[in-house]
Amino acid sequence: AQTVTQSQPEMSVQEAETVTLSCTYDTSESDYYLFWYKQPPSRQMILVIRQEAYKQQNATENRFSVNFQKAAKSFSLKISDSQLGDAAMYFCAYRKETSGSRLTFGEGTQLTVNP
Amino acid sequence: DTAVSQTPKYLVTQMGNDKSIKCEQNLGHDTMYWYKQDSKKFLKIMFSYNNKELIINETVPNRFSPKSPDKAHLNLHINSLELGDSAVYFCASRSATEAFFGQGTRLTVV
Repeated sequence: AQTVTQSQPEMSVQEAETVTLSCTYDTSESDYYLFWYKQPPSRQMILVIRQEAYKQQNATENRFSVNFQKAAKSFSLKISDSQLGDAAMYFCAYRKETSGSRLTFGEGTQLTVNP
Repeated sequence: DTAVSQTPKYLVTQMGNDKSIKCEQNLGHDTMYWYKQDSKKFLKIMFSYNNKELIINETVPNRFSPKSPDKAHLNLHINSLELGDSAVYFCASRSATEAFFGQGTRLTVV
């Protein structure tokens, strides 16, 4: 069974600084997707960034980028120029590339942004 | 237009009652899910449907029964509610590349 591990229950960062959230996963599949979701206090699940396993290039979305290390099964999220609105719970998630397959989530990392 | 909508947003009910949570998506997706988020914020799959057919049924008490009348709807019915059922329940639908979540239903059983 696939597992996703986030080893940092809580992280904090100063406004305008950079922070990296860690995620590791376990799978025997070669084709899959990895995601980072953000859940602010409103509890809405918001997709931050997506990475296809077959792509070697790391995904980037504005201030958000990932470091995808397929051999090490590592998928970290870097947030640059942190803003107060980035404060939220961040979830790493994995999904096989097959129809109907589930999203498996990590335990989450609560990010605090200090002014 | 909300892509995935759940109703109600909040639900407070007594132990032993039966309740339903409705979910509708207007994205034309074939796959829909129900997830449960517990008090520690952990998200766990409950059910997955693909084209109205049940694909995933995790170890969930049979008091929980999903119903998909059509591809756009996946409702969750819960019988004989227990205190431990208190949680946030999320509906989601999935394209080929990503999942879209509803706003969640906070269920409180008293």
